Amino acid sequence: DIVMTQSPDSLAVSLGERATINCKSSQSVLYSSRNKNYVAWYQQKPGQPPKLLISWASTRESGVPDRVSGSGSGTDFTLTISSLQAEDVAVYYCQQYYSTPTFGQGTKVEIK
Amino acid sequence: QVQLVQSGAEVKKPGASVKVSCKASGYSLRSYDINWVRQATGQGLEWMGWMDPDTGNAGYAQKFQGRVTMTRHASISTVYMELSSLRSEDTAVYYCARLNAPRTAGEGSGFDYWGQGTLVTVAS
Repeated sequence: DIVMTQSPDSLAVSLGERATINCKSSQSVLYSSRNKNYVAWYQQKPGQPPKLLISWASTRESGVPDRVSGSGSGTDFTLTISSLQAEDVAVYYCQQYYSTPTFGQGTKVEIK
Repeated sequence: QVQLVQSGAEVKKPGASVKVSCKASGYSLRSYDINWVRQATGQGLEWMGWMDPDTGNAGYAQKFQGRVTMTRHASISTVYMELSSLRSEDTAVYYCARLNAPRTAGEGSGFDYWGQGTLVTVAS
């Protein structure tokens, strides 16, 4: 299985500041012939199921605010929240679906 | 609107089986794959498997091979996940989740709708 490793495990960011979460896959999840990276990002708040934020590494889902963005290719990916809001407090997970789906361990984002 | 509604919490003894249901509404169940993901308390997400509700084809994570079975009752828009030989480590919230593209539209790229989760507690 492809292992997804997120960093950091947690971070505290001041309101309005940038939050950056990294995700590294144990092997490339770029399907070269299709030029697509098979990575998604989810947000999970306490007591709720995960919410899909980003697919194909950088495609924002409908309704997701544009302060949330995804980037990266191959084995290294990043989720960025450009200006943290109170409602962004949550745990964030990356997922690969290049092969049998696997998730990162999660990154907890809090307000400093 | 699209909804996935799961069955209620279960308490099971070690060695028993549990069957969780996931009823879809607001779209055609047959058109989208359903995946199952579990989450132990305070832990991360673990993918268990998928099924095609149209054909009944399913694929399971190696970890659960031989213990999990995913089925469907398409006429009532419901899919099921049954896990057998339960042990304490199977205590978790179990989610069904829809792949975000219909089979006719090509590849999915994530899970766009999730059930509310079903807590399964395994304790003697």
